[in-house]
Amino acid sequence: DSGVTQTPKHLITATGQRVTLRCSPRSGDLSVYWYQQSLDQGLQFLIHYYNGEERAKGNILERFSAQQFPDLHSELNLSSLELGDSALYFCASSPRTSGYNEQFFGPGTRLTVL
Amino acid sequence: AQSVTQLDSQVPVFEEAPVELRCNYSSSVSVYLFWYVQYPNQGLQLLLKYLSGSTLVKGINGFEAEFNKSQTSFHLRKPSVHISDTAEYFCAVSRAEAGGYQKVTFGIGTKLQVIP
Repeated sequence: DSGVTQTPKHLITATGQRVTLRCSPRSGDLSVYWYQQSLDQGLQFLIHYYNGEERAKGNILERFSAQQFPDLHSELNLSSLELGDSALYFCASSPRTSGYNEQFFGPGTRLTVL
Repeated sequence: AQSVTQLDSQVPVFEEAPVELRCNYSSSVSVYLFWYVQYPNQGLQLLLKYLSGSTLVKGINGFEAEFNKSQTSFHLRKPSVHISDTAEYFCAVSRAEAGGYQKVTFGIGTKLQVIP
């Protein structure tokens, strides 16, 4: 158990819908990272928040957005969902910005878009 | 920009045989290097990391990796694999960008299949 929690574990929805994925980092970790893992593209970095502020963006679509709240939990919002958005979404946390710090990964949310 | 190349997408190996999973990176500046493992239906967890010092790094579960600066490689090895090592392995590189931000890039992963 990494100490990072993600809800829900599984999510099945239809194209065009909007969903919210939630992540609670390890106690004391200020950084939260979001990743998308799919069979064809591997592990793709989406976005990084540090202590409530966006620090870096990766391959995140405009239909996707995220935020980190004062209690440090984070939410990833996916809208106008397409079939290709079906993937595993992981969040990870680390004490500060990652670098020499390892990232601790949650168990993931499996999103299926039908 | 930095990049990470994992040269093998799948590696089958018999139980108790040695294994090497290859990782090469490109970066013009100093980097930190990591190997993560992902067991089926789980998130990634850290196996080992290289920050500085000795180029041979030992990790959990009997894995080790060697940092080779001249070849820009960080290959992962285990002298004798077990069935329980069947998993996907990710190499990752971290380097400082403008403004001091440390960017982490993951490789595409190598699936290790241990055959009984």
